[in-house]
Amino acid sequence: EAGVAQSPRYKIIEKRQSVAFWCNPISGHATLYWYQQILGQGPKLLIQFQNNGVVDDSQLPKDRFSAERLKGVDSTLKIQPAKLEDSAVYLCASSLDMRADEKLFFGSGTQLSVL
Amino acid sequence: AQSVTQLGSHVSVSEGALVLLRCNYSSSVPPYLFWYVQYPNQGLQLLLKYTTGATLVKGINGFEAEFKKSETSFHLTKPSAHMSDAAEYFCAVSDPGNQFYFGTGTSLTVIP
Repeated sequence: EAGVAQSPRYKIIEKRQSVAFWCNPISGHATLYWYQQILGQGPKLLIQFQNNGVVDDSQLPKDRFSAERLKGVDSTLKIQPAKLEDSAVYLCASSLDMRADEKLFFGSGTQLSVL
Repeated sequence: AQSVTQLGSHVSVSEGALVLLRCNYSSSVPPYLFWYVQYPNQGLQLLLKYTTGATLVKGINGFEAEFKKSETSFHLTKPSAHMSDAAEYFCAVSDPGNQFYFGTGTSLTVIP
């Protein structure tokens, strides 16, 4: 089966610029997650969708980050304007449903460097 | 609230030696516990998980982990390390709301 697809793989921008990441989850997966992984740290949840509705965005810096999942399939994560501390790997994951014992499937991530 | 602590950000073992990666958790409810592995330039992959039942859980690639409630631990082991085991390993706990909390990771180096 096809995995979680993410693009771009790498992105370099200057601070105050905007950037967008795209994620295509595994077909049929209702739950989609965006994680931020800063070097040397574990993944931190930014936002969680169930179909096209937001379940949890408590750790999303809403003054600069936004995310959407139109039609409950693909998702985009946007940063505007970017700050130096946003340099990280942005991971998208999906799961069949929203159960606590559910296995997460991760994409390869987008590595963002903010200069 | 749930949290995970991984002791040792870097672990080095010789090829063929025992692998032991430590994970302690904090949870206010019976936890679901996971180990994920991340190979260079790849996303995280599930190694194994504990939900209920048998406390010794076997995963892929010869790894296993034991849930010890009294010690709030879920350490990952493998009897004999292989060069291909070199990767970053993350312990995670999930709560009933299906939010996952990841540890800071342990980088495993295997010395030939």
